[in-house]
Amino acid sequence: GENVEQHPSTLSVQEGDSAVIKCTYSDSASNYFPWYKQELGKRPQLIIDIRSNVGEKKDQRIAVTLNKTAKHFSLHITETQPEDSAVYFCAATPYGNNRLAFGKGNQVVVIP
Amino acid sequence: NAGVMQNPRHLVRRRGQEARLRCSPMKGHSHVYWYRQLPEEGLKFMVYLQKENIIDESGMPKERFSAEFPKEGPSILRIQQVVRGDSAAYFCASSPSGQGGNTGELFFGEGSRLTVL
Repeated sequence: GENVEQHPSTLSVQEGDSAVIKCTYSDSASNYFPWYKQELGKRPQLIIDIRSNVGEKKDQRIAVTLNKTAKHFSLHITETQPEDSAVYFCAATPYGNNRLAFGKGNQVVVIP
Repeated sequence: NAGVMQNPRHLVRRRGQEARLRCSPMKGHSHVYWYRQLPEEGLKFMVYLQKENIIDESGMPKERFSAEFPKEGPSILRIQQVVRGDSAAYFCASSPSGQGGNTGELFFGEGSRLTVL
């Protein structure tokens, strides 16, 4: 099955700087890649996703890039704010497959 | 429109007891997924259900764990004869269709945190 890995496990950034989280996946059939944000003690919430027919997608301060050849995708957060502090999970699945494989998560800490 | 509702939010059981976790999907959603989150770990898929059907249970442990989504009422994840290793947060998610549908987004509940003493 699909195996998703995230790096780094913890990332600290100064407020206003950018944060980048990278994920790799193993199954070349995967073509749907969502990112979820989980604040402490809260539910995971989708923040952005990308499908394999595009290489990049942006939504305000958040962007995701996908390199299918190398089987990795990245989350970019610009102009970080304290409320961006959370655990971010990447996931992958063949679209139409109902089983998302999640990475272990990245703890992002934005230092005011 | 209420979100995905899970209860109990916290559950404490002694080894050997049974744990029942309930999940009501968002209104209009007919697909339910259960994920387990161990401390410092990601979300591990357990089971995917539609009303009265288990579609994919490939992530469920072979013994002691079962899930159902009856025609009426919430989905239930049942863990029999709990052991300390079952201590985790169990998240339920729902979607309006399978992930091959409109957006693919899963809507998660707040989770049920099981502690086995």
